[in-house]
Amino acid sequence: DVKVTQSSRYLVKRTGEKVFLECVQDMDHENMFWYRQDPGLGLRLIYFSYDVKMKEKGDIPEGYSVSREKKERFSLILESASTNQTSMYLCASSLGQGQLDNYGYTFGSGTRLTVV
Amino acid sequence: AQKITQTQPGMFVQEKEAVTLDCTYDTSDQSYGLFWYKQPSSGEMIFLIYQGSYDEQNATEGRYSLNFQKARKSANLVISASQLGDSAMYFCAMREYEGYSSASKIIFGSGTRLSIRP
Repeated sequence: DVKVTQSSRYLVKRTGEKVFLECVQDMDHENMFWYRQDPGLGLRLIYFSYDVKMKEKGDIPEGYSVSREKKERFSLILESASTNQTSMYLCASSLGQGQLDNYGYTFGSGTRLTVV
Repeated sequence: AQKITQTQPGMFVQEKEAVTLDCTYDTSDQSYGLFWYKQPSSGEMIFLIYQGSYDEQNATEGRYSLNFQKARKSANLVISASQLGDSAMYFCAMREYEGYSSASKIIFGSGTRLSIRP
């Protein structure tokens, strides 16, 4: 079964810590995405990547960075965690543009991050 | 800018009844795709149904159908014969294409929480 795996289901971190959220997909997908989900706001795109070492800012990139050194792995980095970054983080992947991708994304199960 | 609007934060429906979840979108693109995802309490996002902007027929997948009205820019999800397991958060989403990159981003609405009463 194809998978997008997020390394942690729950995380608790302290304000000011550097936080790494890891995401791995085994579908050989070109595109990978990081969203955060907050009640009443839906899913908001933080960063995405359409190729190894390539990254693009989404709608809310402030306070985050990403790394994609290998095709299957896309990491989200909170340089200095703050309480307003407490949220559910969802990783997703998809085929490249032009390919049959009407199934949209394949999502990971999410990481619920609490910053105290 | 592209936008997805879901005006129903929550809905209660009796088991076995049909339910319609509303979704309107705004885009200036001629080519786009519309999706519905289900998110149960476990948190996973489950793809339900897809409608392409050039598809003339409404998409159907089992008990799910997408009522696509292009002129009104609406893409409502219809669930027939609702079941207790349909209780979940439902997100409407739209694919937009970046002109200079190969990634196709999907933007999401704020969601509708559907609760099925036995």
